[in-house]
Order: sequence, then structure tokens, then C-alpha cells
Amino acid sequence: GESVGLHLPTLSVQEGDNSIINCAYSNSASDYFIWYKQESGKGPQFIIDIRSNMDKRQGQRVTVLLNKTVKHLSLQIAATQPGDSAVYFCASDNAGNMLTFGGGTRLMVKP
Amino acid sequence: ETGVTQSPTHLIKTRGQQVTLRCSSQSGHNTVSWYQQALGQGPQFIFQYYREEENGRGNFPPRFSGLQFPNYSSELNVNALELDDSALYLCASSTKQGGMDEKLFFGSGTQLSVL
Repeated sequence: GESVGLHLPTLSVQEGDNSIINCAYSNSASDYFIWYKQESGKGPQFIIDIRSNMDKRQGQRVTVLLNKTVKHLSLQIAATQPGDSAVYFCASDNAGNMLTFGGGTRLMVKP
Repeated sequence: ETGVTQSPTHLIKTRGQQVTLRCSSQSGHNTVSWYQQALGQGPQFIFQYYREEENGRGNFPPRFSGLQFPNYSSELNVNALELDDSALYLCASSTKQGGMDEKLFFGSGTQLSVL
């Protein structure tokens, strides 16, 4: 069945460095992917999305890359800041906002 | 803040009891989805309501049920609570229009503990 998984449960980076969070998905029919940020005590917050007809999309300090050949996507955060510390989830959406989430990566930013 | 509000924020129940969780969607949103997030895991889709009817359901038993009201607010009901139902329950609202779905906005969740 559909599953969306992450390679690393915890990522620790130095403030100012770039962060890369990876995610693999299993359903080759998945056509829409979203990255969410979840801070302690809060619900997931939308960061950036990408459709399967694209391989790269950029936002403010964030870039999502999609490799459909190996069913992999990544989230790149430039110049990581302490406020970026959170758990990051990738999710796939095949049916109108009925999302399948991965297990999450905790990003820790060291000052 | 997303404009999606959930109540209560925390709840403690005992095994076998029933619970009702509530959600007010963001203004203008006509679709509500519920997710269960166990500790240390990603959210799992429970079901979605659109125009007061269940529009899709994940792999959850029938003792998980819901309602959507004319004002688009929603309830999640869980009967015969089990210890494994302990989790953060997230409500998310969005707009479904003309076959297109706008982005999901999540509330902060209700933390349910079953003892």
C-alpha cells in the first residue's frame, strides 16, 4: 500500500548552514506532495508543495526537489535559523486533501 | 494562526468510554478532515467531511465517526475507547470548489489520553 517514509529521524545542523531533509514514497501514482513543519504543541504548518509535473520548486529560503524516477523528494532550507527547529513531515495527496504522511524528521539547529 | 480551532485542548478518558472532539473550520472553508497523530509519528487520515457528508475514510474502525454541521464545523466521536486511541487528534479545514482542493490548514489538536 501507500507509504511515505523519511530516511533520518533527527537532523542536527549549525545555525546558518543549509539543511536537507529527505523523503521516499512508494506509490508511483502520487501526483502531489507537501512539506509540513510542526512545532511543539501545534498542528502541521504548510511550507511548500510540488506537483509531479515539476522537479523543483522554490519558496522563501526553502526548495523542494522531486525525483520521480527513484520516488524521492527533499526539502532544502537555506541559512537555517533557530526558528526552523521543528519536526518536518512530507505528505502525499492522491485524493483531495486525504494525505498520507511520513514519520517525520526532527530538525535541531545549534546556535 | 490558521483560524482552525479545536476543543478541548486536552482530555483524559478511561478505556471503554466515549469521547467527542470539536472543530471550527477556518472562515470560508467547506471541508473538514480529521487526523490521528500518535506520539513520535506522522498524522494518519481518519476521514473527511464535505457538505455534511463523509467524503472519504482512512483505515479506522466504525467506532470512529463524525459529523459536519451546516456552518461547516465538525465533531469527531470515538466509542469504546481503547488505550491505543491515546493520541493528538488534528482537525484540518480546506475549500473544495469546482473539483479543486485548496490547501489544508490544521488546528493545534486535542491531546487525548486513555487510561
